[in-house]
Amino acid sequence: QVQLQESGPGLVRPSETLSLSCSVSGVSISSTTYYWGWIRQPPGKGLEWIGSVYNSGNSYHSASLKSRVIISIDASSNQFSLHLTSMTAADTGVYYCARQEDGFDIWGQGTMVTVSS
Amino acid sequence: QPVLTQSASASASLGASVRLTCTLSRGHASYIIAWHQQQPGKAPRYLMNLQFRGVYSKGSGVPDRFSGSSSGADRFLVISNVQLEDEADYFCETWDSTTRVFGGGTKLTVL
Repeated sequence: QVQLQESGPGLVRPSETLSLSCSVSGVSISSTTYYWGWIRQPPGKGLEWIGSVYNSGNSYHSASLKSRVIISIDASSNQFSLHLTSMTAADTGVYYCARQEDGFDIWGQGTMVTVSS
Repeated sequence: QPVLTQSASASASLGASVRLTCTLSRGHASYIIAWHQQQPGKAPRYLMNLQFRGVYSKGSGVPDRFSGSSSGADRFLVISNVQLEDEADYFCETWDSTTRVFGGGTKLTVL
């Protein structure tokens, strides 16, 4: 059974960089043909795709966030990571990692990130 | 890039059926979509992917009362015999080679 679990700080200062990790269990991310993605949800709002990464390290990102996003994969620890620079209050919300196939078919439980000084 | 349009809200009586709609933008009518359910305070849950011709493939453990259908650019999620636990937000998702997008979501209220 494949499971994903996000981890990272719950509070980030404005202008700082958010770093989140997603631990994958039940499958080796380096041996699969899936992409792995990050999605976020501001409080009371809808879902926004941030970007996705393949086991080769190839990644692609939302055009609106592209200049601020780095998504990488660490096959040795079976994790993938999100780095989002220049955080502002508008980046506050729940951040999810998910397995990407025809749709994001397995989701982590999400982690709340608040941007505040 | 594709855009997905959903009604903000819908309601259904307990035990009735309801059809939620996700509409693809012009030029993207043939796209596959996915439906997700998000119960209050929980992470989204994948329900199914749904093709242009109405063929759908459900996720593991999704109850039989959930089904999908299509008509042109419209993709439907049909919930039969609506239960209280079906009260949730429902999001559709689609993608192309460079992006992935979500609809704004429909909040389903069970009466």
